[in-house]
Amino acid sequence: NAGVTQTPKFQVLKTGQSMTLQCAQDMNHNSMYWYRQDPGMGLRLIYYSASEGTTDKGEVPNGYNVSRLNKREFSLRLESAAPSQTSVYFCASERLAWNEQFFGPGTRLTVL
Amino acid sequence: AQSVTQLDSQVPVFEEAPVELRCNYSSSVSVYLFWYVQYPNQGLQLLLKYLSGSTLVKGINGFEAEFNKSQTSFHLRKPSVHISDTAEYFCAVMDSGSRLTFGEGTQLTVNP
Repeated sequence: NAGVTQTPKFQVLKTGQSMTLQCAQDMNHNSMYWYRQDPGMGLRLIYYSASEGTTDKGEVPNGYNVSRLNKREFSLRLESAAPSQTSVYFCASERLAWNEQFFGPGTRLTVL
Repeated sequence: AQSVTQLDSQVPVFEEAPVELRCNYSSSVSVYLFWYVQYPNQGLQLLLKYLSGSTLVKGINGFEAEFNKSQTSFHLRKPSVHISDTAEYFCAVMDSGSRLTFGEGTQLTVNP
Protein backbone atom coordinates (compact mmCIF):
# COMPACT_ATOMS: atom_id res chain seq x y z
CA ASN A 1 0.00 0.00 0.00
CA ALA A 2 1.97 3.01 -1.31
CA GLY A 3 -0.63 5.67 -0.44
CA VAL A 4 -0.30 8.73 -2.70
CA THR A 5 2.58 8.71 -5.17
CA GLN A 6 3.80 11.58 -7.36
CA THR A 7 6.16 11.70 -10.32
CA PRO A 8 8.57 13.23 -10.98
CA LYS A 9 10.15 14.31 -7.68
CA PHE A 10 12.10 17.15 -9.28
CA GLN A 11 11.81 18.97 -12.60
CA VAL A 12 13.45 21.96 -14.24
CA LEU A 13 11.70 23.60 -17.18
CA LYS A 14 12.40 26.55 -19.42
CA THR A 15 9.77 29.25 -19.84
CA GLY A 16 7.20 28.13 -22.40
CA GLN A 17 7.80 24.39 -22.05
CA SER A 18 4.98 22.06 -21.10
CA MET A 19 4.84 19.14 -18.73
CA THR A 20 2.46 16.88 -16.84
CA LEU A 21 2.73 16.04 -13.16
CA GLN A 22 1.40 12.61 -12.32
CA CYS A 23 -0.41 11.52 -9.18
CA ALA A 24 -1.82 8.14 -8.23
CA GLN A 25 -3.44 6.73 -5.10
CA ASP A 26 -4.11 3.11 -4.19
CA MET A 27 -6.53 3.70 -1.30
CA ASN A 28 -9.70 3.68 -3.43
CA HIS A 29 -10.40 7.30 -2.51
CA ASN A 30 -13.06 9.25 -4.34
CA SER A 31 -11.65 12.78 -4.12
CA MET A 32 -8.28 14.04 -5.29
CA TYR A 33 -6.61 17.45 -5.06
CA TRP A 34 -3.69 19.44 -6.42
CA TYR A 35 -2.02 22.12 -4.28
CA ARG A 36 0.98 24.36 -4.70
CA GLN A 37 3.18 25.40 -1.81
CA ASP A 38 5.08 28.68 -1.84
CA PRO A 39 7.16 30.14 1.01
CA GLY A 40 5.08 32.11 3.50
CA MET A 41 1.82 31.27 1.72
CA GLY A 42 0.94 27.82 2.95
CA LEU A 43 -0.71 25.49 0.45
CA ARG A 44 -3.18 26.78 -2.10
CA LEU A 45 -5.69 24.64 -3.96
CA ILE A 46 -5.23 24.57 -7.75
CA TYR A 47 -7.85 22.03 -8.87
CA TYR A 48 -9.78 19.20 -7.33
CA SER A 49 -11.85 16.23 -8.39
CA ALA A 50 -14.68 15.16 -6.13
CA SER A 51 -15.18 11.92 -8.03
CA GLU A 52 -14.10 10.15 -11.20
CA GLY A 53 -15.18 12.17 -14.21
CA THR A 54 -15.49 15.54 -12.44
CA THR A 55 -13.01 18.37 -11.92
CA ASP A 56 -13.38 21.86 -10.45
CA LYS A 57 -11.22 24.95 -10.09
CA GLY A 58 -9.68 25.85 -6.78
CA GLU A 59 -8.15 29.11 -5.60
CA VAL A 60 -5.33 29.41 -8.17
CA PRO A 61 -6.26 27.52 -11.39
CA ASN A 62 -4.83 29.92 -14.01
CA GLY A 63 -2.12 28.35 -16.15
CA TYR A 64 -3.04 24.77 -15.25
CA ASN A 65 -5.25 21.99 -16.53
CA VAL A 66 -6.14 18.67 -14.93
CA SER A 67 -7.36 15.25 -15.96
CA ARG A 68 -8.98 12.66 -13.73
CA LEU A 69 -7.91 9.69 -15.81
CA ASN A 70 -9.64 7.11 -13.63
CA LYS A 71 -10.35 6.68 -9.93
CA ARG A 72 -6.66 6.20 -9.13
CA GLU A 73 -4.98 8.89 -11.21
CA PHE A 74 -5.20 12.68 -11.31
CA SER A 75 -2.72 14.60 -13.46
CA LEU A 76 -1.80 18.29 -13.54
CA ARG A 77 -0.62 19.87 -16.79
CA LEU A 78 1.27 23.08 -17.39
CA GLU A 79 0.78 23.99 -21.04
CA SER A 80 3.26 26.88 -21.16
CA ALA A 81 5.33 27.11 -17.99
CA ALA A 82 6.13 30.49 -16.46
CA PRO A 83 8.63 31.42 -13.72
CA SER A 84 5.66 32.24 -11.44
CA GLN A 85 4.84 28.52 -11.49
CA THR A 86 8.08 27.65 -9.72
CA SER A 87 6.77 25.89 -6.63
CA VAL A 88 6.36 22.61 -4.81
CA TYR A 89 3.26 20.74 -5.98
CA PHE A 90 1.37 18.33 -3.75
CA CYS A 91 -1.31 15.87 -4.66
CA ALA A 92 -3.77 14.63 -2.04
CA SER A 93 -6.66 12.20 -1.87
CA GLU A 94 -9.63 11.77 0.46
CA ARG A 95 -12.07 8.97 1.12
CA LEU A 96 -15.69 10.04 0.88
CA ALA A 97 -16.94 11.63 4.13
CA TRP A 98 -13.72 10.86 6.05
CA ASN A 99 -12.74 14.55 6.21
CA GLU A 100 -9.06 13.68 6.08
CA GLN A 101 -6.73 14.28 3.14
CA PHE A 102 -3.63 12.14 2.54
CA PHE A 103 -0.73 13.86 0.82
CA GLY A 104 1.92 12.69 -1.60
CA PRO A 105 5.63 13.54 -1.20
CA GLY A 106 5.53 16.46 -3.62
CA THR A 107 7.12 17.54 -6.90
CA ARG A 108 9.62 20.39 -6.79
CA LEU A 109 9.33 22.37 -10.04
CA THR A 110 11.64 25.14 -11.16
CA VAL A 111 10.84 27.23 -14.24
CA LEU A 112 13.76 29.23 -15.60
CA ALA B 1 -15.22 32.74 2.47
CA GLN B 2 -12.99 31.28 5.11
CA SER B 3 -9.46 32.11 6.11
CA VAL B 4 -6.79 30.92 8.51
CA THR B 5 -4.14 32.99 10.26
CA GLN B 6 -1.17 31.46 12.00
CA LEU B 7 0.07 34.13 14.33
CA ASP B 8 3.75 33.12 14.44
CA SER B 9 5.85 32.34 11.39
CA GLN B 10 8.73 30.96 13.49
CA VAL B 11 8.81 29.52 16.99
CA PRO B 12 12.19 28.57 18.49
CA VAL B 13 12.15 26.58 21.73
CA PHE B 14 14.51 24.49 23.79
CA GLU B 15 14.14 20.73 24.07
CA GLU B 16 11.71 19.58 26.80
CA ALA B 17 10.06 23.01 26.97
CA PRO B 18 6.31 23.41 26.33
CA VAL B 19 5.15 24.97 23.09
CA GLU B 20 1.97 26.56 21.73
CA LEU B 21 1.42 27.27 18.05
CA ARG B 22 -1.42 29.71 17.51
CA CYS B 23 -4.13 29.53 14.86
CA ASN B 24 -7.18 31.72 14.31
CA TYR B 25 -9.80 31.14 11.64
CA SER B 26 -12.73 32.99 10.17
CA SER B 27 -15.77 31.32 8.72
CA SER B 28 -19.45 32.08 8.50
CA VAL B 29 -20.44 28.45 8.93
CA SER B 30 -19.47 25.50 11.08
CA VAL B 31 -16.06 24.24 10.20
CA TYR B 32 -13.77 21.32 10.54
CA LEU B 33 -10.27 22.20 11.76
CA PHE B 34 -6.95 20.45 11.22
CA TRP B 35 -3.30 20.60 12.09
CA TYR B 36 -0.78 19.08 9.66
CA VAL B 37 2.97 18.66 10.10
CA GLN B 38 5.57 18.77 7.32
CA TYR B 39 9.02 17.40 7.98
CA PRO B 40 11.83 18.62 5.68
CA ASN B 41 11.42 17.53 2.06
CA GLN B 42 8.31 15.50 2.82
CA GLY B 43 4.58 15.75 2.28
CA LEU B 44 2.04 16.76 4.91
CA GLN B 45 0.96 14.40 7.66
CA LEU B 46 -2.19 14.83 9.74
CA LEU B 47 -1.51 15.58 13.41
CA LEU B 48 -5.10 15.95 14.61
CA LYS B 49 -8.53 17.15 13.60
CA TYR B 50 -11.63 18.66 15.15
CA LEU B 51 -14.95 17.67 13.59
CA SER B 52 -17.37 17.93 16.52
CA GLY B 53 -17.76 16.94 20.17
CA SER B 54 -15.08 17.54 22.79
CA THR B 55 -13.22 20.77 22.21
CA LEU B 56 -9.92 19.24 23.36
CA VAL B 57 -8.50 17.07 20.63
CA LYS B 58 -5.54 14.75 21.08
CA GLY B 59 -3.33 13.79 18.17
CA ILE B 60 -0.18 11.90 17.35
CA ASN B 61 3.25 12.49 18.87
CA GLY B 62 1.81 13.96 22.10
CA PHE B 63 0.22 17.02 20.48
CA GLU B 64 -3.20 18.35 21.40
CA ALA B 65 -5.33 21.29 20.32
CA GLU B 66 -8.29 23.13 21.78
CA PHE B 67 -11.18 24.43 19.70
CA ASN B 68 -12.49 27.74 21.02
CA LYS B 69 -15.56 28.84 19.11
CA SER B 70 -15.96 32.21 20.85
CA GLN B 71 -12.37 33.19 20.07
CA THR B 72 -12.35 31.38 16.70
CA SER B 73 -9.07 29.74 17.63
CA PHE B 74 -7.54 26.28 17.37
CA HIS B 75 -4.16 26.46 19.09
CA LEU B 76 -1.76 23.51 19.06
CA ARG B 77 0.14 22.54 22.22
CA LYS B 78 2.70 20.07 23.43
CA PRO B 79 3.89 19.97 27.05
CA SER B 80 7.45 18.85 26.27
CA VAL B 81 9.02 18.99 22.81
CA HIS B 82 11.79 16.89 21.31
CA ILE B 83 14.41 17.66 18.69
CA SER B 84 12.43 15.44 16.32
CA ASP B 85 9.44 17.82 16.52
CA THR B 86 11.37 20.34 14.42
CA ALA B 87 9.14 20.83 11.37
CA GLU B 88 6.67 23.19 9.76
CA TYR B 89 3.13 23.07 11.12
CA PHE B 90 0.03 24.07 9.18
CA CYS B 91 -3.41 24.88 10.51
CA ALA B 92 -6.28 24.35 8.06
CA VAL B 93 -10.05 24.72 7.85
CA MET B 94 -12.30 22.55 5.70
CA ASP B 95 -15.50 23.81 4.08
CA SER B 96 -18.63 21.84 3.29
CA GLY B 97 -17.16 20.83 -0.07
CA SER B 98 -14.11 19.20 1.57
CA ARG B 99 -11.79 21.92 0.33
CA LEU B 100 -8.99 22.84 2.70
CA THR B 101 -7.80 26.40 3.31
CA PHE B 102 -4.36 26.48 4.91
CA GLY B 103 -2.61 29.02 7.07
CA GLU B 104 0.82 30.33 6.16
CA GLY B 105 2.62 27.81 8.36
CA THR B 106 4.70 28.00 11.55
CA GLN B 107 8.28 26.76 11.58
CA LEU B 108 8.96 25.09 14.92
CA THR B 109 12.65 24.71 15.71
CA VAL B 110 13.62 22.73 18.79
CA ASN B 111 17.13 23.47 20.03
CA PRO B 112 19.19 21.24 22.34
